[in-house]
Amino acid sequence: QKEVEQNSGPLSVPEGAIASLNCTYSDRGSQSFFWYRQYSGKSPELIMFIYSNGDKEDGRFTAQLNKASQYVSLLIRDSQPSDSATYLCASQYGNKLVFGAGTILRVKS
Amino acid sequence: DVKVTQSSRYLVKRTGEKVFLECVQDMDHENMFWYRQDPGLGLRLIYFSYDVKMKEKGDIPEGYSVSREKKERFSLILESASTNQTSMYLCASSSFTWELFFGEGSRLTVL
Repeated sequence: QKEVEQNSGPLSVPEGAIASLNCTYSDRGSQSFFWYRQYSGKSPELIMFIYSNGDKEDGRFTAQLNKASQYVSLLIRDSQPSDSATYLCASQYGNKLVFGAGTILRVKS
Repeated sequence: DVKVTQSSRYLVKRTGEKVFLECVQDMDHENMFWYRQDPGLGLRLIYFSYDVKMKEKGDIPEGYSVSREKKERFSLILESASTNQTSMYLCASSSFTWELFFGEGSRLTVL
């Protein structure tokens, strides 16, 4: 069974700080990784994806991938209360997308 | 605007009942998926479909079946509902990428 592991949290950060969300995956064959954000009572929505080792930046968000360590992370700079949500890490295994259980992020104003 | 519509937001059924969950997308997407979401377990893939009349098992297909007679519609069927199928069910669709567009979800309670 392919697995994607996340710390469930909650991760609490003050407004304006950097939030760091982490994810590990079990299969070295996985090629693509995705971060979905899910607000309470809402459906997940894609915010970032990364295919190559290194960093990928999009506005306040940076996704980081380290295939040797089988580790993916999402950094949120200048965190805002509106970033409070559950963040789901997902990995593509063949023709399936496998999700982690998600990390709850709380940004306190 | 992208739209995935699930027929029922909340359902309450009895053990042994047959349950239909319907999902319709208006984006002409090829791919459609059914996930269930449970606290601490995240999203788990039940079934998916890459084309009309085509279906593939996900990670937890037991107790479920699906139907895709038209490109825009993907139905999840619980032949005989059980209490361990109480969950939030999420339908999603995608084109040739892994950006999944999710519906609002159907919260099913089996008594």
